[in-house]
Amino acid sequence: SQQGEEDPQALSIQEGENATMNCSYKTSINNLQWYRQNSGRGLVHLILIRSNEREKHSGRLRVTLDTSKKSSSLLITASRAADTASYFCATGDAGNNRKLIWGLGTSLAVNP
Amino acid sequence: ETGVTQSPTHLIKTRGQQVTLRCSSQSGHNTVSWYQQALGQGPQFIFQYYREEENGRGNFPPRFSGLQFPNYSSELNVNALELDDSALYLCASSPVQDGRVSFFGQGTRLTVV
Repeated sequence: SQQGEEDPQALSIQEGENATMNCSYKTSINNLQWYRQNSGRGLVHLILIRSNEREKHSGRLRVTLDTSKKSSSLLITASRAADTASYFCATGDAGNNRKLIWGLGTSLAVNP
Repeated sequence: ETGVTQSPTHLIKTRGQQVTLRCSSQSGHNTVSWYQQALGQGPQFIFQYYREEENGRGNFPPRFSGLQFPNYSSELNVNALELDDSALYLCASSPVQDGRVSFFGQGTRLTVV
């Protein structure tokens, strides 16, 4: 079963704009990660935020985590056409550290 | 480049057949997890192997089985294939046992006809 949902399911923006994606989850977590997937191929890790952190930055990426609302957001600033991909959040289950539980993903299209 | 390779990249099998998918992990990564990703969905955890032992399993029937070898390679075997088994199968390796950063292969696209 899926952990939660990404919102929106699909997002289309122009190059240079910012893209914000949200993720909600259901259970207690140790950490939350964001991954990127191009054209239904392998997933690439973008950023990990621990449950005791509220915000984290990596280059053009900014991730926030609100454990009271069981939600996270991924902001991509100054988007590029090469950012076009599907973005997934995955949570490390606090009760079972052995697996990642995934959302359904947000499909991002950045138009040149 | 994640250092994780999967083979084959595409495969077509007939319902009822058996299939073996292969994964070669990064050296030193003693944890490997397998995921099934249906079209338009997020990955679903199948199972994890740690030091050649199954170390956690998702909601998949016993006809999904696996092996991990000392040389950081692993296999996913699926018996009695069903049409709904058509999906992208992803292998992910990690140097640690818990649910932290995983390095994914490019996946095997399995089509069952």
